Amino acid sequence: DTVLTQSPALAVSPGERVTISCRASESVSTGMHWYQQKPGQQPKLLIYGASNLESGVPARFSGSGSGTDFTLTIDPVEADDTATYFCQQSWNDPYTFGAGTKLELK
Amino acid sequence: QVQLKESGPGLVQPSQTLSLTCTVSGFSLTSNSVHWVRQPPGKGLEWVGAIWSGGSTDYNSALKSRLSISRDTSKSQVFLKMNSLQTEDTAIYFCTREFEIYNNYFDYWGQGVMVTVSS
Repeated sequence: DTVLTQSPALAVSPGERVTISCRASESVSTGMHWYQQKPGQQPKLLIYGASNLESGVPARFSGSGSGTDFTLTIDPVEADDTATYFCQQSWNDPYTFGAGTKLELK
Repeated sequence: QVQLKESGPGLVQPSQTLSLTCTVSGFSLTSNSVHWVRQPPGKGLEWVGAIWSGGSTDYNSALKSRLSISRDTSKSQVFLKMNSLQTEDTAIYFCTREFEIYNNYFDYWGQGVMVTVSS
């Protein structure tokens, strides 16, 4: 199975720029997607196909990468962005998720 | 609008069978695949399995021997059955729709149903 590795946690101040990384154990081309999950809620799609912004998601969110290295960027970070961010690949079977990066605001 | 809603028992005894239903609206099960994803308390997301728009199924290899996913297209419902439940199966179970044009990703999610395996 394709293993997705994310850093466990980040802490930033509002107004800063933050990058969240996801590394795949094998190439997933651009079949990488990002979700935001707040406590007690279901995941919400932010970015699909590595770099495409889902409709309705603020332009502060962006994604980049291909192959094995991917990045989710939030610029500028707002207080409401406190959440856990998951990457997920759909290029290789079975679909797999990263363990999540918990973003906290200082 | 697109909606998915999970339903099922909140508490299941060890070794028993879990039965969950995902009722969808706003799209057809013959046009989009539906997947099940679970999340143990305080942990990450785990793909459980899927029923594709054509009706075939795919399962997490670690759960395959205990898992069955089916559907009733006339009722817009997808069913998950998992037997021989263990405490490690305690989790929130989500159903989610897969968007399948150009890129395959989960664009709509149900709110999830918490399942606790305990005697």
